[in-house]
Amino acid sequence: DTEVTQTPKHLVMGMTNKKSLKCEQHMGHRAMYWYKQKAKKPPELMFVYSYEKLSINESVPSRFSPECPNSSLLNLHLHALQPEDSALYLCASSQVAQSSYEQYFGPGTRLTVT
Amino acid sequence: SQKIEQNSEALNIQEGKTATLTCNYTNYSPAYLQWYRQDPGRGPVFLLLIRENEKEKRKERLKVTFDTTLKQSLFHITASQPADSATYLCARPYSGYSTLTFGKGTMLLVSP
Repeated sequence: DTEVTQTPKHLVMGMTNKKSLKCEQHMGHRAMYWYKQKAKKPPELMFVYSYEKLSINESVPSRFSPECPNSSLLNLHLHALQPEDSALYLCASSQVAQSSYEQYFGPGTRLTVT
Repeated sequence: SQKIEQNSEALNIQEGKTATLTCNYTNYSPAYLQWYRQDPGRGPVFLLLIRENEKEKRKERLKVTFDTTLKQSLFHITASQPADSATYLCARPYSGYSTLTFGKGTMLLVSP
């Protein structure tokens, strides 16, 4: 199984809401990533988890809170977002957090903040 | 800073022709580059990794080259098909080789 799944596919939330994005992989990968992608832009790295520990935070605002409950799951908790946070949020995994390994991406969650 | 640039935003070609996409990088040569394909509204899909000492790598109709003198990688799709229409991203190592940074991508449109 080489699939990364993400739920929900689409999410519309108000600026005062709290919601969570979920990501799951069963490839035994020990590195998981969150990316943000705006239209016609490349994926921008937000967070990297290595062996369930946060290893990279790309200066992401605290209204985004990642969590890695176990080696297969990755969550992104959202609170008090701004309209400019509307984007495609991609989860990815790789065997380890080393850039010579290919990353497997999920289909993404399309987030709209109203 | 370690930049990676794909200067062509879009490339239109006719079916059956060879598409050539360019990726340029700045500063030191990375040990390898990766290429991904992304369809609209979907996550990127890994295609090829080329190491700096490999010069050229092939996979079916795909060919990637790595020229450390020009600081450039070329991505070729031979006998292109409309189904090859997508955005192609190149990526280089980032943050101490623990992850990747992506170029802006080139949108390829293959017309029948």
